[in-house]
Amino acid sequence: DAKTTQPNSMESNEEEPVHLPCNHSTISGTDYIHWYRQLPSQGPEYVIHGLTSNVNNRMASLAIAEDRKSSTLILHRATLRDAAVYYCILRDALLNTGTASKLTFGTGTRLQVTL
Amino acid sequence: DTGVSQNPRHKITKRGQNVTFRCDPISEHNRLYWYRQTLGQGPEFLTYFQNEAQLEKSRLLSDRFSAERPKGSFSTLEIQRTEQGDSAMYLCASSLAVQGWGYTFGSGTRLTVV
Repeated sequence: DAKTTQPNSMESNEEEPVHLPCNHSTISGTDYIHWYRQLPSQGPEYVIHGLTSNVNNRMASLAIAEDRKSSTLILHRATLRDAAVYYCILRDALLNTGTASKLTFGTGTRLQVTL
Repeated sequence: DTGVSQNPRHKITKRGQNVTFRCDPISEHNRLYWYRQTLGQGPEFLTYFQNEAQLEKSRLLSDRFSAERPKGSFSTLEIQRTEQGDSAMYLCASSLAVQGWGYTFGSGTRLTVV
């Protein structure tokens, strides 16, 4: 599986935007970039995913570099409820192989949000 | 639909005992995954099913572990002769076999082996 690199931790003030970086220099052409987050005592929660173009949804935005070797998850206005571990994961778009179907998690970025 | 349900939420067992966990996925999801997570680490893949077929097992899944998904609906994960190293959060997730489809995780079963 292609590897991602994320900072161990980040801090943000409430109501401020947060940019969570992820490096994936060995990404292949068929890898989707997925982001999940895990709140304390919960299972991971899907946030967003993209392939080449920037993506927006109600939770966040995903900005993907032109060479696709890095991406940034953007929370537009952090709240205390956004305090979680954020995982950046590459997932092969080829559906039918066993390896492609699973998500491989790293250790993620622990986001702290303060008042 | 109430999402992915896992039972029990917590389980404390003595070393050497067998334990079984249950996962009820989202009903229309045909893929089901089991993960294990220890403190400070991301979830680690254990195994997955497409419908009732178990299509991949991790090397982490020793012969003391067995998973089933009869009739392609709920799944069970059994650990035989538990060891202290089995203490972890066991997470279940389900998904559709559709390109790019996200996973929905349950809240997990926390196992403590004493």
